Amino acid sequence: GESVGLHLPTLSVQEGDNSIINCAYSNSASDYFIWYKQESGKGPQFIIDIRSNMDKRQGQRVTVLLNKTVKHLSLQIAATQPGDSAVYFCAGTGRSQGNLIFGKGTKLSVKP
Amino acid sequence: DAMVIQNPRYQVTQFGKPVTLSCSQTLNHNVMYWYQQKSSQAPKLLFHYYDKDFNNEADTPDNFQSRRPNTSFCFLDIRSPGLGDAAMYLCATSRDQNIQYFGAGTRLSVL
Repeated sequence: GESVGLHLPTLSVQEGDNSIINCAYSNSASDYFIWYKQESGKGPQFIIDIRSNMDKRQGQRVTVLLNKTVKHLSLQIAATQPGDSAVYFCAGTGRSQGNLIFGKGTKLSVKP
Repeated sequence: DAMVIQNPRYQVTQFGKPVTLSCSQTLNHNVMYWYQQKSSQAPKLLFHYYDKDFNNEADTPDNFQSRRPNTSFCFLDIRSPGLGDAAMYLCATSRDQNIQYFGAGTRLSVL
């Protein structure tokens, strides 16, 4: 079946260090992926997206890498700040129209 | 300014008592979604409206219904809430199959 999952449930980094959050997906037909950030008690917030015709996309302090060969994508956060502490979800398109499948989430904790 | 607005933020209902959660959007997006999110889990899609077309996920219980009277509003009706329906309910919108923007959610408690 379709699945989008994350390798680690928790990640703890020192303030100022770079963070890397990984995600694997199973559906080779997935063509669109999104990273969301969810702070406690809030809805998911869009961070960055990438389509399958790209292998890298950069935003402000964030980079998403997509490796279609091994069905893996990652979110890199540069110079991680305390405000980056949240749960990060990757999501990919499923087989049906409008169906985004979410991974389990990685909780990022930033130590001052 | 909030673009996807969910009301109320917190809702308490009794076991078996129907409850309605509401979502409105100012983005004029044609797609609206309802997700259920339980503690420490990922959001799970219940259903979505693509324009006026209702799309139900295969494993969404019949207890959950939705209405979309116009482009801006979408409602989630839970006909007979059970204890297992206590969760955060998230509304999201998108323009076609592009980025989904989420509201802040409604946390439902069932007593």
